[in-house]
Amino acid sequence: NAGVMQNPRHLVRRRGQEARLRCSPMKGHSHVYWYRQLPEEGLKFMVYLQKENIIDESGMPKERFSAEFPKEGPSILRIQQVVRGDSAAYFCASSGPGGLTEAFFGQGTRLTVV
Amino acid sequence: RKEVEQDPGPFNVPEGATVAFNCTYSNSASQSFFWYRQDCRKEPKLLMSVYSSGNEDGRFTAQLNRASQYISLLIRDSKLSDSATYLCVVRGGRSGGGADGLTFGKGTHLIIQP
Repeated sequence: NAGVMQNPRHLVRRRGQEARLRCSPMKGHSHVYWYRQLPEEGLKFMVYLQKENIIDESGMPKERFSAEFPKEGPSILRIQQVVRGDSAAYFCASSGPGGLTEAFFGQGTRLTVV
Repeated sequence: RKEVEQDPGPFNVPEGATVAFNCTYSNSASQSFFWYRQDCRKEPKLLMSVYSSGNEDGRFTAQLNRASQYISLLIRDSKLSDSATYLCVVRGGRSGGGADGLTFGKGTHLIIQP
């Protein structure tokens, strides 16, 4: 499968635990974007990364959320000390170099905080 | 003014009819434009890119008006399977951030009725 791969597809965490969401971009893609979608709402931009660099994190909450895209391996979105309000679908998208090409989405990780 | 604005609908349209959506964007420096489709609880999927000269893909036609800063999508001979949320997406030229991330509208909900 050459598409964007996200795992896990579903994640359940208790309040206060950590959530780690992984995203492997399409082969040849070096740009990764993370979005959050609350029930019945639109997609909200969180962060835009290239390999080893955070380009734009203006959509990230100031606390508890972090993202990385290391030289090797998938991009990781980490949420520390999760709260019920973090329950949402988290989508990752990737695009090729140049920054202006289309982006393709993974199937998302549905995080439920209990 | 919101960066990307769409009429949320829902648009209830009989099968076989023609339907059109518009989307306006606020950043005149935006460089790339797309329509995505999102089915309930699934990832957004690229429907088509929008080029300055307008472009057509089967029953779908996209237009861009840079002077008025709007994008349109026309669907002819609508099918039941066209029922979805259509997301207007703008990329590039984000002021103040330097990033070329995607900015999504909240989507227009389309329901094709038999």
